[in-house]
Amino acid sequence: KNEVEQSPQNLTAQEGEFITINCSYSVGISALHWLQQHPGGGIVSLFMLSSGKKKHGRLIATINIQEKHSSLHITASHPRDSAVYICAVRLWSGGSNYKLTFGKGTLLTVNP
Amino acid sequence: NAGVMQNPRHLVRRRGQEARLRCSPMKGHSHVYWYRQLPEEGLKFMVYLQKENIIDESGMPKERFSAEFPKEGPSILRIQQVVRGDSAAYFCASSAGELRDTEAFFGQGTRLTVV
Repeated sequence: KNEVEQSPQNLTAQEGEFITINCSYSVGISALHWLQQHPGGGIVSLFMLSSGKKKHGRLIATINIQEKHSSLHITASHPRDSAVYICAVRLWSGGSNYKLTFGKGTLLTVNP
Repeated sequence: NAGVMQNPRHLVRRRGQEARLRCSPMKGHSHVYWYRQLPEEGLKFMVYLQKENIIDESGMPKERFSAEFPKEGPSILRIQQVVRGDSAAYFCASSAGELRDTEAFFGQGTRLTVV
């Protein structure tokens, strides 16, 4: 079983819809990252969080440390939001907590 | 995120050849991480380097793969005698301090195809 599980694997939405992508992890972490990857493109870091909630434009990320769960929300989705969204956790493992463990990603397609 | 530069963006190699992937971290960053993304799989940690030092290479295959980050110049991920299974996207990230304290910034990746 993967230490980081994302759901759904694939998500198709209509422009303007509210999107939620979920990430669950099974180990203690020091921080969680949400990343965006366009097809054939590089990786952009959207958020790094260890508690609570962060907002940037139409994107909101929340984390519940007790429940080992994070969500990424996109409000008023747009076709340019179409990408793979990746959850990554920094494990709380003493000296090696620089390592990131990644989920397999959620492929989001927003249709006009 | 103009800082982390990887080249080449695409690399085609025949089986048995060598592949050299380069990563120039963001200005002021001295910590470099390499990750591999196999088709249909998530990213996997390969190696963590600081200038002139390999800190953790636990994610690197034991044979044919090596990495360096010299005092001057980019970090290099070197794959000798490539095989078809090495075909993947290789990403580099850099940070100013240890990753537990600071955010990492990723490059555009190098897509290696072994034919």
